[in-house]
Amino acid sequence: QQQVKQSPQSLIVQKGGISIINCAYENTAFDYFPWYQQFPGKGPALLIAIRPDVSEKKEGRFTISFNKSAKQFSLHIMDSQPGDSATYFCAAFARGGAGSYQLTFGKGTKLSVIP
Amino acid sequence: KAGVTQTPRYLIKTRGQQVTLSCSPISGHRSVSWYQQTPGQGLQFLFEYFSETQRNKGNFPGRFSGRQFSNSRSEMNVSTLELGDSALYLCASSLSLQAGVDEQFFGPGTRLTVL
Repeated sequence: QQQVKQSPQSLIVQKGGISIINCAYENTAFDYFPWYQQFPGKGPALLIAIRPDVSEKKEGRFTISFNKSAKQFSLHIMDSQPGDSATYFCAAFARGGAGSYQLTFGKGTKLSVIP
Repeated sequence: KAGVTQTPRYLIKTRGQQVTLSCSPISGHRSVSWYQQTPGQGLQFLFEYFSETQRNKGNFPGRFSGRQFSNSRSEMNVSTLELGDSALYLCASSLSLQAGVDEQFFGPGTRLTVL
């Protein structure tokens, strides 16, 4: 069964610190790895994404590191701010037949950034 | 550009009843996916529709069904509701390009409570 394992479940970081969330997958058919950010009462919103042929992608304070051989990827949030407090989901994307596709999500990490 | 809209936002039903949830995708988006979000299981894929056809289906019982209309709007139906169906139901839309990755845009969700 397709699975994406995410850790930790919750994370408390001081303002200005680095938040690190890790994910691992098994299915080598996954070919795109997005991270979503979800605030209470809202749907998930795409934060940043990476393809497996790239080892790192940076957008502002957010960086994805990708290790294809280990089938692991992680999100780093530099200079974490209280406004970053949210639930973060890693996901993996795979295409199926007839052009269909499916996102498989990790179980989420609740990040709290304290002043 | 208006985002994905879902109605109703909140719903309370009793066991055994059925429920219909509605999703209006972003204008021009042809694919609609549905996800169930619970604290225990996280985000789980229900099904995906494209051009009024179900292209992909997750591992949910037949009580969960959906459809898509010619204007890409989608509905999902849950019959014979069980307590465990209490969840946030999220709809996501995408352009569904033939090549490349489809970025999915999520709506705010419908919070279903089954009593």
